[in-house]
Amino acid sequence: DGGITQSPKYLFRKEGQNVTLSCEQNLNHDAMYWYRQDPGQGLRLIYYSQIVNDFQKGDIAEGYSVSREKKESFPLTVTSAQKNPTAFYLCASQFGRQPQHFGDGTRLSIL
Amino acid sequence: ILNVEQSPQSLHVQEGDSTNFTCSFPSSNFYALHWYRWETAKSPEALFVMTLNGDEKKKGRISATLNTKEGYSYLYIKGSQPEDSATYLCAFYTTSGTYKYIFGTGTRLKVLA
Repeated sequence: DGGITQSPKYLFRKEGQNVTLSCEQNLNHDAMYWYRQDPGQGLRLIYYSQIVNDFQKGDIAEGYSVSREKKESFPLTVTSAQKNPTAFYLCASQFGRQPQHFGDGTRLSIL
Repeated sequence: ILNVEQSPQSLHVQEGDSTNFTCSFPSSNFYALHWYRWETAKSPEALFVMTLNGDEKKKGRISATLNTKEGYSYLYIKGSQPEDSATYLCAFYTTSGTYKYIFGTGTRLKVLA
């Protein structure tokens, strides 16, 4: 079954620590996206990638980094520079101009 | 910066009531508008793809209309049921600029039994 897999479902970060959220897709989509959702708010774009080995900053990229070495994978690293990382993170992929497909999300909290 | 607004931000309706909400987007450089339903503890799922001015799409009790000339789309739910409770998102696909896909802020619907 084609889809997007995000892991882990829950993640805890200690102060000063970098953590990486995984996003894998087997839909053969070129474009992939990372969003952040805070309570009571909509989706905010962190980073996106329209092709392998290329990615662009979204609206709230500070304190985050990504890589796109393979078409299937778009991991997001939340660095220690992100001072307010507690949020729900969603990964999505998209083919052409069709709607995006989303993973089930990762909830990140601070220890 | 392109703005996609949804209203209302949230609403509560009684079971059986019909309801509608709005997605407003720039009226120029339109390519497509997508509607999503986002249920709690799940990921957003696409409801409708709307591309032509005057488009009307229907899925069961949910329907949507599109007016690209004035920059809005309506989502209607007829006879709301508790299982319709969700956040409804619209996303505007533009033909201009570097980044072309903008989500609205969402409308949170709660249907009371």
